[in-house]
Amino acid sequence: RKEVEQDPGPFNVPEGATVAFNCTYSNSASQSFFWYRQDCRKEPKLLMSVYSSGNEDGRFTAQLNRASQYISLLIRDSKLSDSATYLCVGGGGNNRKLIWGLGTSLAVNP
Amino acid sequence: NAGVMQNPRHLVRRRGQEARLRCSPMKGHSHVYWYRQLPEEGLKFMVYLQKENIIDESGMPKERFSAEFPKEGPSILRIQQVVRGDSAAYFCATGGSTDTQYFGPGTRLTVL
Repeated sequence: RKEVEQDPGPFNVPEGATVAFNCTYSNSASQSFFWYRQDCRKEPKLLMSVYSSGNEDGRFTAQLNRASQYISLLIRDSKLSDSATYLCVGGGGNNRKLIWGLGTSLAVNP
Repeated sequence: NAGVMQNPRHLVRRRGQEARLRCSPMKGHSHVYWYRQLPEEGLKFMVYLQKENIIDESGMPKERFSAEFPKEGPSILRIQQVVRGDSAAYFCATGGSTDTQYFGPGTRLTVL
């Protein structure tokens, strides 16, 4: 079983749609969780940190469920510019090492 | 405050040559992580360094690859006697007091 597992997609959605990604992690000792976005042939960029209390940044909402060991990302009112690969990440703490999912591909269509 | 810098952005080497990839952390960051990404594949962790120390090199191939992060200057990922299979994007990420990692633009290595 992969340490961080995501549905690779692709998710094809029309503009304005709401799309949700889920991710599971296996190491219950993981302390930090993130969603990163990676555009084709570019570096990953931090989208948002993820907390148990949930956090929202504009059209993006992230949630951590420690009991079930899953992380979610909700994108509302999708834009064409949201098309990218979304990477789920967990880990950190004492050893500072993050474990990266393979990414979920999103294509927002006009 | 400049972000994470990597150079060169593109590097072409012939088989058997050496490749040196450099990473200058964001100001205030003392943790450096190197990753490799093959086309259409995910990020693969290679090595984690903190000033002058290798903390975790569990993702580094046993031969030909080495990394350093000296007291002064950038972190260096060195690949000796490159082979075609080394062609990839190599990303450096740096971090400070939290687990958040910030990435440089990457070096795209092509081995002819």
